[in-house]
Amino acid sequence: AQSVTQLGSHVSVSEGALVLLRCNYSSSVPPYLFWYVQYPNQGLQLLLKYTTGATLVKGINGFEAEFKKSETSFHLTKPSAHMSDAAEYFCAVSDQGQGAQKLVFGQGTRLTINP
Amino acid sequence: SAVISQKPSRDICQRGTSLTIQCQVDSQVTMMFWYRQQPGQSLTLIATANQGSEATYESGFVIDKFPISRPNLTFSTLTVSNMSPEDSSIYLCSVGVGRAWEQYFGPGTRLTVT
Repeated sequence: AQSVTQLGSHVSVSEGALVLLRCNYSSSVPPYLFWYVQYPNQGLQLLLKYTTGATLVKGINGFEAEFKKSETSFHLTKPSAHMSDAAEYFCAVSDQGQGAQKLVFGQGTRLTINP
Repeated sequence: SAVISQKPSRDICQRGTSLTIQCQVDSQVTMMFWYRQQPGQSLTLIATANQGSEATYESGFVIDKFPISRPNLTFSTLTVSNMSPEDSSIYLCSVGVGRAWEQYFGPGTRLTVT
């Protein structure tokens, strides 16, 4: 069964600092990987996705993530944090081997930006 | 991508009653999903709803408690039946599109049961 682990339920960084949110997955076949962001009182918004090809993927709002198969990781980064980045971030995985329809979500990481 | 709306956006309901949540998509989609997000928690898949077939429920969720309709390719409803305070959650619908079936989410329905 697939699973997703997000290290750190709460990450706090200063405005302008590097953002690093960690995600590790377990999957028996090459997965599809996603990062979503949830702002307060809103639904989830897709930040970026990895399917195949280039392992470094760029998303919206300056975020990017790198798929590292050897480490089973898909960490999310942003070079310089902005106050508007404060939100909950979810990593998710789907399994190509099962038709890829279902997503399994990590527990989420709440990102706080300090002025 | 897809634009998804949900009604109602929030509601406060009495124990023992039922609430039907509507999900409308701006384009025809095959796969629709319903999730529950309990306070401070991640998302848990309730069921997958394909047009023209019975919804497929995840372990721990049953049709009697969460009946789902999917009358066409742009619309679905989820009913939360015989509610108890434990049903207080955010309920989200999503659609799966593209080769990787990435999912796009509605804004959610915040339900409080008293």
